[in-house]
Amino acid sequence: AQSVTQLDSQVPVFEEAPVELRCNYSSSVSVYLFWYVQYPNQGLQLLLKYLSGSTLVESINGFEAEFNKSQTSFHLRKPSVHISDTAEYFCAVTTFPGSEKLVFGKGTKLTVNP
Amino acid sequence: DTGVSQDPRHKITKRGQNVTFRCDPISEHNRLYWYRQTLGQGPEFLTYFQNEAQLEKSRLLSDRFSAERPKGSFSTLEIQRTEQGDSAMYLCASSLLGTSGDQETQYFGPGTRLLVL
Repeated sequence: AQSVTQLDSQVPVFEEAPVELRCNYSSSVSVYLFWYVQYPNQGLQLLLKYLSGSTLVESINGFEAEFNKSQTSFHLRKPSVHISDTAEYFCAVTTFPGSEKLVFGKGTKLTVNP
Repeated sequence: DTGVSQDPRHKITKRGQNVTFRCDPISEHNRLYWYRQTLGQGPEFLTYFQNEAQLEKSRLLSDRFSAERPKGSFSTLEIQRTEQGDSAMYLCASSLLGTSGDQETQYFGPGTRLLVL
């Protein structure tokens, strides 16, 4: 069975500072990896995903994540955060071929302070 | 297309009552998923459909829970004899399984927040 560990439940940072949200996964088979973001009182939105190919993937709003197979990690980074990035971020994994369900971590609450 | 929609957005019920939630997926999507999210946790998989067939159910889905997708479009999730432990956000997602068979992105609705008193 797969599992996802998000090591930090809360990450407070100041505006324009860099941030890294950590995600480690456990799986005995190949995986697809995702980061979803949940703004207050809204549903989950896909931020970025790794399916295959380049291990560095980017989102349209400046986030990036790197798949590291040897360390079983998929950490999310942004070099300079904005107040509007305040949200909860969820890392998720699914396997291929086979299971269609997403297995989520517990989430990291990112708070960007002025 | 307006994305995945869910109805109602909020539901308050008394313990022992039955509740039903509806999910309308993105129109061309053939896969539909239900997840449950409790406070401080990530979403947990409950079940999923490909067209009208229910292909996988989690152990979390007790016999009080039933989901249907009768015409392969919208889906309903019913909880019978609700318990306080059922209080959670119920999320619906949809995706399109293409001919390549590759994993496709799941798009989530806004959720239905259930409170059982």
